[in-house]
Amino acid sequence: DGGITQSPKYLFRKEGQNVTLSCEQNLNHDAMYWYRQDPGQGLRLIYYSQIVNDFQKGDIAEGYSVSREKKESFPLTVTSAQKNPTAFYLCASSIEGRRAQYFGPGTRLLVL
Amino acid sequence: GQQLNQSPQSMFIQEGEDVSMNCTSSSIFNTWLWYKQDPGEGPVLLIALYKAGELTSNGRLTAQFGITRKDSFLNISASIPSDVGIYFCAGREAGGTSYGKLTFGQGTILTVHP
Repeated sequence: DGGITQSPKYLFRKEGQNVTLSCEQNLNHDAMYWYRQDPGQGLRLIYYSQIVNDFQKGDIAEGYSVSREKKESFPLTVTSAQKNPTAFYLCASSIEGRRAQYFGPGTRLLVL
Repeated sequence: GQQLNQSPQSMFIQEGEDVSMNCTSSSIFNTWLWYKQDPGEGPVLLIALYKAGELTSNGRLTAQFGITRKDSFLNISASIPSDVGIYFCAGREAGGTSYGKLTFGQGTILTVHP
C-alpha cells in the first residue's frame, strides 16, 4: 500500500539533545513538507522540499534542520536551539507543489 | 498574513443529522482542501477542489469551491458516530509561490451523539 510513514510515534528529548524524526513516502511524490501542530493553533510550516537535494525554510524554521537526499525520505532534526520543541509533528507530501498534500500519522515529541 | 476563518468552531449534533461548515478567506484562492483529523493521528484528505464552482462528493461528504473563490463549504449528510473528529480546511492563495503554500483553518470540532 502506498502511503507516508513517520517514526517513531512518540519521541522524548532531553535538554540539549538533538533528535531526528523520520518521514518516508512511497507515493512517488516530488514535494514533501514538515508541519508543527500545537493545541489551539493551526498547522505551521517548518520546512518544505520540492525536489531532491533542495529544501526551503517555512514560517518557523528556527531550531530545525532537514535533508532531502532521496525522493522518498525527508527527515527532520529538532536541534537543541529549539527551545519549545514539545508538539505534534506532521510530515506531508504532494505529487507537486500545487496539488493536494497527504499527511503521515505524526510524531509526538516530548521534552524530559 | 493570510488567514482563514473557519466556522463553526464546534458542533454538537444527533446521529442522523446533516452538518455544514465553511471557510472564508480575505483573498482569492485557487485550491481548497478539506481534511479530517482524529486525536493523535495525522489529517486525512477528504476532498480536494481546484476550480471555482466545483462541487465534489466523497460518500456522505460534499464540498464546494465558492464562485467568489474566497470560500468553501463542507457538508456531511446523515451523520454517524464515526464522523466525530476535527475537520479543517486548507487553501492555496491564487498567484502565490510555486511551491503552493497552504493556509489552514483553525478547525471545526464535531461531536455526534448516538
